[in-house]
This record gives sequence, structure tokens and C-alpha cells, in this order.
Amino acid sequence: DSGVTQTPKHLITATGQRVTLRCSPRSGDLSVYWYQQSLDQGLQFLIQYYNGEERAKGNILERFSAQQFPDLHSELNLSSLELGDSALYFCASSGPRGFSEQYFGPGTRLTVT
Amino acid sequence: LAKTTQPISMDSYEGQEVNITCSHNNIATNDYITWYQQFPSQGPRFIIQGYKTKVTNEVASLFIPADRKSSTLSLPRVSLSDTAVYYCLVGGVYNNNDMRFGAGTRLTVKP
Repeated sequence: DSGVTQTPKHLITATGQRVTLRCSPRSGDLSVYWYQQSLDQGLQFLIQYYNGEERAKGNILERFSAQQFPDLHSELNLSSLELGDSALYFCASSGPRGFSEQYFGPGTRLTVT
Repeated sequence: LAKTTQPISMDSYEGQEVNITCSHNNIATNDYITWYQQFPSQGPRFIIQGYKTKVTNEVASLFIPADRKSSTLSLPRVSLSDTAVYYCLVGGVYNNNDMRFGAGTRLTVKP
């Protein structure tokens, strides 16, 4: 158990819909990262937040957005969903050092039908 | 951009030492090298991290040559439970925007 929690574990929705994925980092970790993993794309870095502020941005689509709240939990919002958005979405957290090791949650499996 | 290149797959037998090499020719001065292990449908798990020379912990060693353009993860005496995908990640304090995982190396340990 990494200490990172993600909800829901599974999510099935239709094209065009909007969903919200939630992540709670390990106690004391200020950084939260979001990743997308699909069969043909590998592990893709989406975005990082540090203590409520956006720190780094990767291959995140404009239809996707994220935020980190004062209690440090984070939400990833996916809108106008397409079939190709079906994937595992992982959240990770890390400590205060600039490039600390990341601890990954169990993931949310999103299926868009 | 610190792109990484790893072998797609490797096979080994129980009890052998396995070395997985990652190439990162464009590594920046501030970049660290981190290795993760991932089992199917689980999040990646941190194995080891280093900046230069050699780092060892209870599960693996990481060898980084002086030019830092590659790194080698060494797993001593692998077991069947080490069958997984291993990722090399290069990134740093000032380069998180380019934090990208490689395609990973699928290690299969046979009895």
C-alpha cells in the first residue's frame, strides 16, 4: 500500500460526458502527479501540482483539467469524453524535494463507451 | 529533451542477475535517474534513484557512468515475482515539464 488513494476504482461512461477522478496523496506529500496509461501509449505524464499550484504540465489535452485543493487532495476533470480516453489514470504523490521518488495510487480505470 | 530508450523485453531465469540498460543521451545537468517497477493493472512502484556513479538499496543497484548518458538497473538473483515492466525516468528539479517515462522493459523470469 503506497498511501495514495484514488476513487473511483472503475468508471464507465458514454462519449461526450464529463467525469471527475479524485486522488488523496500520502500524508505530508505536497506534490501530486497525474498520469494516463493506455495500451498503445504507455505511461503519459499529464500534470503536476505542488501545494495547490500547477508546477509542470505534460501531454494534457485541453478537455482535461486538474486542481489541487487546500487539503492537498487533487481532482482530474475529463470532459467531452472520447473513446480514446479509455485508459488507466494514475495519481502519484511525492515529498518536498524537487524530484523525489513518486508513490503511485492504485489507479482509476475509465471506460468510455 | 531527455528521451529515454530501453529494450522492449528481456527474459531471464530464476536466480540469475538481470541488468537493464536505459539510454538517455540528452540528460540535463540537474536531471536524476529513477527506476520504477509495474505489475499489470497496478501503479508503478519506486525501485531506486541516482545521480551519478553507483547507488545500492535492498532490492537493486543502479550504475551510472561518468557521462551519465546511460544507466543500468541491476536486479540480483531474480525470482518469478520480479516478472514486471521496468521503467526508466529521467527528470529534474527544473525539468519536470519533460518528465516522461520510457516505453519500459518487460522482464519475464522463467523457472
